[in-house]
Amino acid sequence: EIVLTQSPGTVSLSPGEGATLPCRASQSISSSYLAWYQQKPGQAPRILIYGASSRATGIPDRFSGSGSGTDFTLTISRLEPEDFAVYYCQQYGSSPTFGGGTKVEIK
Amino acid sequence: QLHLQESGPGLVKPSETLSLTCTVSGGSITGTSYYWGWIRQPPGKGLEWIGSIFYSGSTYYNPSLKSRVTISVDTSKNQFSLKLSSVTAADTAVYYCARQNLVIVAFDLWGRGTLVTVSS
Repeated sequence: EIVLTQSPGTVSLSPGEGATLPCRASQSISSSYLAWYQQKPGQAPRILIYGASSRATGIPDRFSGSGSGTDFTLTISRLEPEDFAVYYCQQYGSSPTFGGGTKVEIK
Repeated sequence: QLHLQESGPGLVKPSETLSLTCTVSGGSITGTSYYWGWIRQPPGKGLEWIGSIFYSGSTYYNPSLKSRVTISVDTSKNQFSLKLSSVTAADTAVYYCARQNLVIVAFDLWGRGTLVTVSS
């Protein structure tokens, strides 16, 4: 099983600041198989990024993804109030797994 | 607009079988570009993939749950279902059904989720 590690578990930032959220895989994975999701309290996750760097339909361009091999990053260029949420990375190998999530909270 | 909706009992007794159904509306479950999956989230914790099914009935499961999980599909009703046997308190979670898009390789549509509590 491929383990995805998201650290830190929580980041405290102010609106307008940028956020850089890392995701590290226990073994190399194809960039095509790495996705990012946003989850707000009481809601289902929402797809943000697929294929490590492609934005899903309707996702603002302040969200971007990058990385390859074992190290991937979700970047939010300027935090809007609605961006404070939990973010999960997910790999789509033979057995899909999710990272533990990073909570972006208001500082 | 495709919509997914989970349904089933919100309370299950320990050692019994949890059964949930996901109804897909606004589109067909028989698309060749999609699997249909179940994912769960214990209260305050992260996401865990349970398993997925193709409309033909082909399935694959999380190895850690495989011995207790059965996922089935009913194309005539545009539904797919989850059965998880021998449940314990550790199976208490919000259970989501989701569409697994094979083109973009991600879970691109999700139901709202349903909380299932395991308790006597």
